[in-house]
Amino acid sequence: DAGVIQSPRHEVTEMGQEVTLRCKPISGHDYLFWYRQTMMRGLELLIYFNNNVPIDDSGMPEDRFSAKMPNASFSTLKIQPSEPRDSAVYFCASSFFLGHSSGNTIYFGEGSWLTVV
Amino acid sequence: QKEVEQDPGPLSVPEGAIVSLNCTYSNSAFQYFMWYRQYSRKGPELLMYTYSSGNKEDGRFTAQVDKSSKYISLFIRDSQPSDSATYLCAMSAIVQGAQKLVFGQGTRLTINP
Repeated sequence: DAGVIQSPRHEVTEMGQEVTLRCKPISGHDYLFWYRQTMMRGLELLIYFNNNVPIDDSGMPEDRFSAKMPNASFSTLKIQPSEPRDSAVYFCASSFFLGHSSGNTIYFGEGSWLTVV
Repeated sequence: QKEVEQDPGPLSVPEGAIVSLNCTYSNSAFQYFMWYRQYSRKGPELLMYTYSSGNKEDGRFTAQVDKSSKYISLFIRDSQPSDSATYLCAMSAIVQGAQKLVFGQGTRLTINP
């Protein structure tokens, strides 16, 4: 399997511009997660989906952030308008939750490195 | 107070040393405990997981969980330069039928040749 695929890997954009990050989860996984990682705050969960339905978006920082999962093989995280404080690495991850015996393994993509200037 | 506390380091040790990485937590509902390793400019990858209290060994790595103290550890024996990475602890519980997973901030580890 190719693993979780994210694009773009790197993006530099100007403040106020719209940013769209894309993710293709591992085929067959029921859960998809969006995380943000910074030096100051570490790895933070933004939102996660189960079977394409958003379950918990309490980590989304504000209305400028939105996420969609139109089908089982694609998700987007959009920031509009972007601000310098949004600069971070954004990770998409997926898992196939089998219950307590699974260990709840989550597989991460390689991240999208966003810089807002 | 954060649910999971982890010293961010950085931690630097000589090759061959025993490394001890630790996390504490406050939520007694956590039942699965994991360690992820993250190399520079890569995503985290699962290194080890344990369920409830006890020890688990995998090669040079040993994970320990002490639920009574709400404390987990990862030991690396005979550390190698290739072990240089950021190590994140993670814990999960089932909350209202849904998985809840919380990560520590990560400890940046450097093994010096």
